[in-house]
Parts: sequence; C-alpha cells; structure tokens
Amino acid sequence: NAGVTQTPKFQVLKTGQSMTLQCAQDMNHNSMYWYRQDPGMGLRLIYYSASEGTTDKGEVPNGYNVSRLNKREFSLRLESAAPSQTSVYFCASGLGSGLNTEAFFGQGTRLTVV
Amino acid sequence: DAKTTQPPSMDCAEGRAANLPCNHSTISGNEYVYWYRQIHSQGPQYIIHGLKNNETNEMASLIITEDRKSSTLILPHATLRDTAVYYCIVRGPNQGGKLIFGQGTELSVKP
Repeated sequence: NAGVTQTPKFQVLKTGQSMTLQCAQDMNHNSMYWYRQDPGMGLRLIYYSASEGTTDKGEVPNGYNVSRLNKREFSLRLESAAPSQTSVYFCASGLGSGLNTEAFFGQGTRLTVV
Repeated sequence: DAKTTQPPSMDCAEGRAANLPCNHSTISGNEYVYWYRQIHSQGPQYIIHGLKNNETNEMASLIITEDRKSSTLILPHATLRDTAVYYCIVRGPNQGGKLIFGQGTELSVKP
C-alpha cells in the first residue's frame, strides 16, 4: 500500500519556467491537499480539494493552480516559477470534511527556483 | 479554525515522559484537537486526536482539559527517534478536512 505518492522528489527550475507537481493516493480518500514548507517554518496550505470535482484556495494560493484530475490524483502547477516559490511541497489526503479522521502526507517535493 | 499556542522548543531525557502543552482557548464545541509530528523534514505524521475525552493509542496519550481550552500530548517513554517538531492543530468538521499548521514545538530527546 503506497499511501500518498509525490513526483518528482527533487526539481530545479529557472525563473519563469513552468512545471506540474504530481500527487496520487491509493486510499480512496475524498479530500486532498497541497502544502508548502519554507525553511524553519510550519506548513502552509496552498490549495485543497474537499471532494472530486472541487478545489478551494488555502492560505497562500497566489502563483499556483491545481487540478483534481480524478479521485486519486491532485496536481499543483507553477505557471511561471519565481525564487520565492523555492520550498518543500507536501501533498496530503484524508477522508475529508465532517469526519474526524487523520490526513496522510507524502514525502515531499523539494523545489529550487534559481 | 481556532488558533493554537505552543512553546517553540522543549527538551526531554531519553526514557522519560515528554509532556507537550498546547493552548487553544478559542476552540469551538465541535472542533477537534489533532497532533502531528514531523521528523527531519519528512512528511508530517499523524499521532492522535480528540474532542473532549482523553485519548490513548500506541504512540501517545492526549489529555484535554475539562474546559477544552488546552491540551497536553504525552509521549510516555521518549526515545531519540521521538526528536521532531510536534504540531497541535484545531480542526472543525465543515472545512474540507483541511489542517492549518502553526509553528509547533521542537522536541529534542537527549540521551
């Protein structure tokens, strides 16, 4: 059982380049989330999808777009990367709203924008 | 979501109990208290959660005060592998299940 899988694990981009971070879960979870974590900081929510077909902004959505492709997959896109987006990105999934259950996190994508 | 306040850092001797406090004085009646930890910048790991009763699982115990304004996570016999950042999070039932992280407590378990 893989849980939450993120690809790639590491990426270096030049300023202005675009890329998509992929996330997939195999736990049949309704909700999925994207977080970023800057050095020495806690995690901040970028976007989330409470259920298939819905997405909502989190705390820091500017500069990002998301797609809930199906129940398993939730991707995060940087259209024009900036050095301020250098961070570790975590995807998570959970049963979702109204249910007092835990979220499961992937191992992260370490992104550097130069 | 109610805000939480945690001490930025704590030390604990190996083999002793680690007691991590969390203040959540603005918690609402239907909000749960969750604890996660993050080891060496890995993905956060769920530990335990509760509403108003004390809870225990194989990892830890969660003690919530009667007025629910604060809680304590207890690691009964801390090991070096418990060195991590511990996050206390308050989460309501109708917010898409999202977790809003604060700064957490950096726990150092020392030999």
